[in-house]
Parts: sequence; C-alpha cells; structure tokens
Amino acid sequence: GAGVSQSPSNKVTEKGKDVELRCDPISGHTALYWYRQSLGQGLEFLIYFQGNSAPDKSGLPSDRFSAERTGGSVSTLTIQRTQQEDSAVYLCASSLAAGENYGYTFGSGTRLTVV
Amino acid sequence: SQQGEEDPQALSIQEGENATMNCSYKTSINNLQWYRQNSGRGLVHLILIRSNEREKHSGRLRVTLDTSKKSSSLLITASRAADTASYFCATGGTNAGKSTFGDGTTLTVKP
Repeated sequence: GAGVSQSPSNKVTEKGKDVELRCDPISGHTALYWYRQSLGQGLEFLIYFQGNSAPDKSGLPSDRFSAERTGGSVSTLTIQRTQQEDSAVYLCASSLAAGENYGYTFGSGTRLTVV
Repeated sequence: SQQGEEDPQALSIQEGENATMNCSYKTSINNLQWYRQNSGRGLVHLILIRSNEREKHSGRLRVTLDTSKKSSSLLITASRAADTASYFCATGGTNAGKSTFGDGTTLTVKP
C-alpha cells in the first residue's frame, strides 16, 4: 500500500486478556520495526525484522510480548496476559532496509488501554 | 537509556520566528534522523543526515551534525502555527539495525 497500515487504531482490553496488533508495511520495505510510546514520552524500541534474518528481540520487555512477520510482509505483535503498564501507543514502521541510511515510515499507531 | 536526547524539552515561539532544537548522543552513529509527531500518533520523517555530512537543507529545515561533539541541531525558519508538534531525533548506530529515539522537543508556535 501507499503507507504503513496499523490495526486496530484503538483497543481497550481487560487486564489479563491477550491482544494482537497488526502492521502492514510498505510493499518492498524489507525492514519492519515495532516501538511503543507512553504518554508524553519518547519511543521505546521493541523488536525489528530484516528480510529473512532472525529478528532482533532485544527490546521486548517481557516474555508476554512476541511478534512474527509472515512472508516478509505483515507483522503481528502479541501481548499475552496484558497488564496496566502495557497501556501505550504501539507504533510500527518500515524502511527499505535496516542498518542503512533510510528513514522510517510510521503507521498511525494502535492506542492500547488496559483496564 | 536513550541514545539521543533533545534540548530543550519544550519551546514556545511566535509565528515567523526561527526555532532551534538540539540533539546530543553518546556513541558512534551511521546517521541521524529528525521526525515530527502531531497529536501523539505516527511520526513523519523530516530529514536524514549521514555521519560524513555536516549540513543538510529541506525547505525551511536546516540540520547540522557535529560528530566531534556528538550533537545535531534542527532549525525551522519562519515558523508557522502548523509547525506546532513534537520533534524527535533518532540515531542509526554503526552496528545496530534499528534507530534509537530521544524523548523529543515539544514546539508551540503561537499565531
């Protein structure tokens, strides 16, 4: 597509439930990134995928968080047994290639609220 | 800790004035990027400057990079109310595939 698409745009869930967040990157972009942003804060890196290489999961805050990228395109970020501290805006971005001199194109984010 | 740190945290100016934001970082980089964010949603890429470049322009934006001081500045000339947003710097490391973002500068341009 023309841009990075994220769904849903808003998600309210009860504490303890699992959630899935979806990201559809720009066609042809081999790198895909997940960040999260708490209110008024900067971006916290979670995970990135580059082509068929093993993902860099170094930013995932706990084993309740996981992500996959199918067919080098769409990615799903899953949070199991959600906690209130998971409430944030989850941002997905893609770029032509990771580790190179390309800027990121961001989606509009998913605002997750855990009640 | 964040690699890039913006200064000031908040800046308020009148329309027509210039706005300058600074970014400092700690380790070697391949590039430094500036982004704008409106209303706490997706970020928009403004400009990327490579480590071997010292200055770059795009419209009313001017970015400088001083690798000896590990710092960058973003200058917005002749600001407009529509420039009101948060501005983030992000550093692309020499051995890292992802960029590290700072906490941002909140710019308010009063009409």
